[in-house]
Amino acid sequence: DAKTTQPPSMDCAEGRAANLPCNHSTISGNEYVYWYRQIHSQGPQYIIHGLKNNETNEMASLIITEDRKSSTLILPHATLRDTAVYYCIVRVAGDTDKLIFGTGTRLQVFP
Amino acid sequence: EAGVAQSPRYKIIEKRQSVAFWCNPISGHATLYWYQQILGQGPKLLIQFQNNGVVDDSQLPKDRFSAERLKGVDSTLKIQPAKLEDSAVYLCASSPYRQGRELFFGEGSRLTVL
Repeated sequence: DAKTTQPPSMDCAEGRAANLPCNHSTISGNEYVYWYRQIHSQGPQYIIHGLKNNETNEMASLIITEDRKSSTLILPHATLRDTAVYYCIVRVAGDTDKLIFGTGTRLQVFP
Repeated sequence: EAGVAQSPRYKIIEKRQSVAFWCNPISGHATLYWYQQILGQGPKLLIQFQNNGVVDDSQLPKDRFSAERLKGVDSTLKIQPAKLEDSAVYLCASSPYRQGRELFFGEGSRLTVL
């Protein structure tokens, strides 16, 4: 089972910041938080990942709380093309290194 | 750089028939994954290969599903016989690392079982 909890859906106005929350209260010390998104009829796309420090790349920022029990993905200036399902995933530690997806948050960006 | 290629994109079959899906990962990627995504759900891992060896197939319904990765490159996923509940998108992903950081997904193969 997925180790994360996300709201099923969110809306955001185009040009505004989209803040997507994720709870992972049972995360272990050596487990990373990953974010992927899936645009309609496409495969999931990697966005960002982090362990305990905040991370930023050209797509988004990841804010992880100090106790690591929750995180927030921030899309600083959402566009219509950011409409997608966003998955927060805790990477299962171990040799198999698999990603277990939950049901994600469906983000709708509106004009 | 070419992405993960999958075929066919769409397949419609009747129950009890067989079907095969093909995946060509990104060149040089050692790890290959097959996921099943049922409508409205997140992807579910079926099997993971490291080169041509199976790392994890604990979620693969082995009575009807099989997968192979000959020569550690291309992979095929077969379903025989298909059931109605196998209707889903089958996603292939590859990663360049043993302890994979980023998975690159193909566009998927959509299977409809009637």
